[in-house]
Amino acid sequence: NAGVTQTPKFRILKIGQSMTLQCAQDMNHNYMYWYRQDPGMGLKLIYYSVGAGITDKGEVPNGYNVSRSTTEDFPLRLELAAPSQTSVYFCASSYPTPSSYNSPLHFGNGTRLTVT
Amino acid sequence: DQQVKQNSPSLSVQEGRISILNCDYTNSMFDYFLWYKKYPAEGPTFLISISSIKDKNEDGRFTVFLNKSAKHLSLHIVPSQPGDSAVYFCAAERGNKLVFGAGTILRVKS
Repeated sequence: NAGVTQTPKFRILKIGQSMTLQCAQDMNHNYMYWYRQDPGMGLKLIYYSVGAGITDKGEVPNGYNVSRSTTEDFPLRLELAAPSQTSVYFCASSYPTPSSYNSPLHFGNGTRLTVT
Repeated sequence: DQQVKQNSPSLSVQEGRISILNCDYTNSMFDYFLWYKKYPAEGPTFLISISSIKDKNEDGRFTVFLNKSAKHLSLHIVPSQPGDSAVYFCAAERGNKLVFGAGTILRVKS
């Protein structure tokens, strides 16, 4: 059982380039989330989805886009990369909400992105 | 606007002793509080949670205490083990979303 899989693990982008961070989960979870973690900071919510076809903004959505065409996949798109988007990105999923004792957030291992 | 704060960036404890990690929050509307543990190059993993209607929850060596009047929670690890060395994130939930603290690095010395 793979859980939450993120690809790629590492990526270096030039300013203005675009890329998609992939996230897939095989637990049939409804809820999926994208977080970023900057040094010395907590995880900040970028976007989340409560089911296929439904997405919503989190705390720091600017510069990102998401889509949720299937239950399994939740890709994060950066259209015009900026140095401020250098961070570690984590995808997570849960069913039904992230606070349930028996259904906490399951995280992927992250994508480390550098924009230069 | 940091709604969840972990004011100690790091903590060093001797193996076998108690580790106490602290967390403060500002929003009295949070419903649940959780602790996640993170090893390098891995994603955070769930450790323990507590509902806002309780003041204590135990799971083996881990106990979380909630003081709603002080808007404070703490994680106690007894006894601490070298494998507990990791970053610990406090998180608070309202609705479908979690707000995370900045994390505390715990080092357990053998």
